[in-house]
Amino acid sequence: NAGVTQTPKFQVLKTGQSMTLQCAQDMNHEYMSWYRQDPGMGLRLIHYSVGAGITDQGEVPNGYNVSRSTTEDFPLRLLSAAPSQTSVYFCASSYSIVSGNTIYFGEGSWLTVV
Amino acid sequence: TQLLEQSPQFLSIQEGENLTVYCNSSSVFSSLQWYRQEPGEGPVLLVTVVTGGEVKKLKRLTFQFGDARKDSSLHITAAQPGDTGLYLCAGAPTYNQGGKLIFGQGTELSVKP
Repeated sequence: NAGVTQTPKFQVLKTGQSMTLQCAQDMNHEYMSWYRQDPGMGLRLIHYSVGAGITDQGEVPNGYNVSRSTTEDFPLRLLSAAPSQTSVYFCASSYSIVSGNTIYFGEGSWLTVV
Repeated sequence: TQLLEQSPQFLSIQEGENLTVYCNSSSVFSSLQWYRQEPGEGPVLLVTVVTGGEVKKLKRLTFQFGDARKDSSLHITAAQPGDTGLYLCAGAPTYNQGGKLIFGQGTELSVKP
């Protein structure tokens, strides 16, 4: 019963490097999303997807790319890392986009950009 | 842009005390959820409230959705050290935007034995 799995758990990047945060869910959920969590700011939506082949921008999309080639996977790419992208990243999924539906979060990926 | 103001941001109390966390907005939400997050883990859903005035209880936790669906509260009775954690409220906008949730800033609760 894996749920939402994120890798890596911890990562240190140098400014300008690129990397991909992996996210996979085994619940056959259509809706997947990426959030970043910063102190005192709650969680902010980066990108989301309502199904394979469909993605859209959230509140803070700049500097990040996503793709959704399968229902299970929703990777988040940092194109050229900046210190402002130091944060904790959470992947989430839910069965549908219906309001009030339960959203399941991964355990988080701690990213430091130096 | 819809915002959720959560208060207080930090709360440190003794075991056995009661507490209330507030989540306020000037906008209407179609539903509101409360999450609890422990260090090193992702948020876990506690409850979803949908109807204005709705009250839900989860053991010692009582959740209320305001009549106008603009605010919500979480009340904990006789807090225990195991209640320590980050509590987040999250509202679903009335417009359909891909299931987007608006999160409050969070309340860091510490319950001392």
